[in-house]
Amino acid sequence: GAGVSQTPSNKVTEKGKYVELRCDPISGHTALYWYRQSLGQGPEFLIYFQGTGAADDSGLPNDRFFAVRPEGSVSTLKIQRTERGDSAVYLCASSLGGGSGQETQYFGPGTRLLVL
Amino acid sequence: AQSVAQPEDQVNVAEGNPLTVKCTYSVSGNPYLFWYVQYPNRGLQFLLKYITGDNLVKGSYGFEAEFNKSQTSFHLKKPSALVSDSALYFCAVRAHSGYSTLTFGKGTMLLVSP
Repeated sequence: GAGVSQTPSNKVTEKGKYVELRCDPISGHTALYWYRQSLGQGPEFLIYFQGTGAADDSGLPNDRFFAVRPEGSVSTLKIQRTERGDSAVYLCASSLGGGSGQETQYFGPGTRLLVL
Repeated sequence: AQSVAQPEDQVNVAEGNPLTVKCTYSVSGNPYLFWYVQYPNRGLQFLLKYITGDNLVKGSYGFEAEFNKSQTSFHLKKPSALVSDSALYFCAVRAHSGYSTLTFGKGTMLLVSP
């Protein structure tokens, strides 16, 4: 079946611009996660959705970052006033539901964001 | 706070030889432990996980990992490496009780030479 998909695969923007990154989770998965992976590092947690609500947004670095999941399926990560330090690969993952610690998270291919 | 250490940035092994990629963790209480693999320009692919029970976990592509509670380790192993195993490997931990996020190590690059 279809896995997690993310669009765009690459995004180049200028400092100060606004960007939106989209994630389409595996059908039926109610838990959705966003991570950021900088060069040479492992993924770092940003935000976790259970259904439509953000159950944990403690990983968002500042108020320039925001994410929504209005219908409990597709999610959009929004970054305002982008900075060069925001350049990274943004990964989305989904899991079946409940957010249980033992659930396997399945990752999308990521969006590579470059802020010039 | 929970954490994962992958002490080797890179592991080199010849094809056909056994491989080990090391991982140690720190978490409050019992852990859930995961291994993922990342190929160039691809997302993370799930390999295997430890939840409870048997300390030796078998996963995809012939990989296995051994949970050692006393050493707080979860090393990834394969009896005979393939060139196609060359990739970036990530260990991750999550706490058993309560809510916690999935915390990843920095990754280990595995290079298998022909």
